[in-house]
Amino acid sequence: GENVEQHPSTLSVQEGDSAVIKCTYSDSASNYFPWYKQELGKRPQLIIDIRSNVGEKKDQRIAVTLNKTAKHFSLHITETQPEDSAVYFCAARDNYGQNFVFGPGTRLSVLP
Amino acid sequence: DTAVSQTPKYLVTQMGNDKSIKCEQNLGHDTMYWYKQDSKKFLKIMFSYNNKELIINETVPNRFSPKSPDKAHLNLHINSLELGDSAVYFCASSQGPRLASNEQYFGPGTRLTVT
Repeated sequence: GENVEQHPSTLSVQEGDSAVIKCTYSDSASNYFPWYKQELGKRPQLIIDIRSNVGEKKDQRIAVTLNKTAKHFSLHITETQPEDSAVYFCAARDNYGQNFVFGPGTRLSVLP
Repeated sequence: DTAVSQTPKYLVTQMGNDKSIKCEQNLGHDTMYWYKQDSKKFLKIMFSYNNKELIINETVPNRFSPKSPDKAHLNLHINSLELGDSAVYFCASSQGPRLASNEQYFGPGTRLTVT
């Protein structure tokens, strides 16, 4: 089955700097890769996603890149703000389109 | 207007008891899921239902039994609760497997504490 790894597990950046979180997956047939943000005590919420037929997607300060050959994808947050502080999860949807496998999460702290 | 709702939000109970968590979605989605998030924040899928039919049953004890009376509801029943069952349980829904739009919407979570 699919296995998703995520690095780093914790990340601290100064406000205004960029943050990058990287994930790798094992199943080359996975075709959908969402990123979720979970604030303390809240539910995970989708912030951006990318499909296997696209190499990059951007939404304001957030971008995701996908390298299918290397089986890794990354989340990029520019001009970080304190409200970006949260746990971020990457995920991969398996070939059957039914099972989402989540990475272990990255706790991002944006220091004012 | 809540898209995915769960009840209760908090559940404190003793070992050995049986409890249920309810989930409802008003998005018209075909697929619903149960996830367990442990104290280390790992999110692990437990079950997935598509149009009331079980399509994923990960390695969970058979003390956990999901029930889907209709495609808008997916309840989780837990028998003989154990200390290790303490976690936050999230319900989620998505439009359906293999569809172009497959964003998952999560419920607010149920924090289960077994004492």
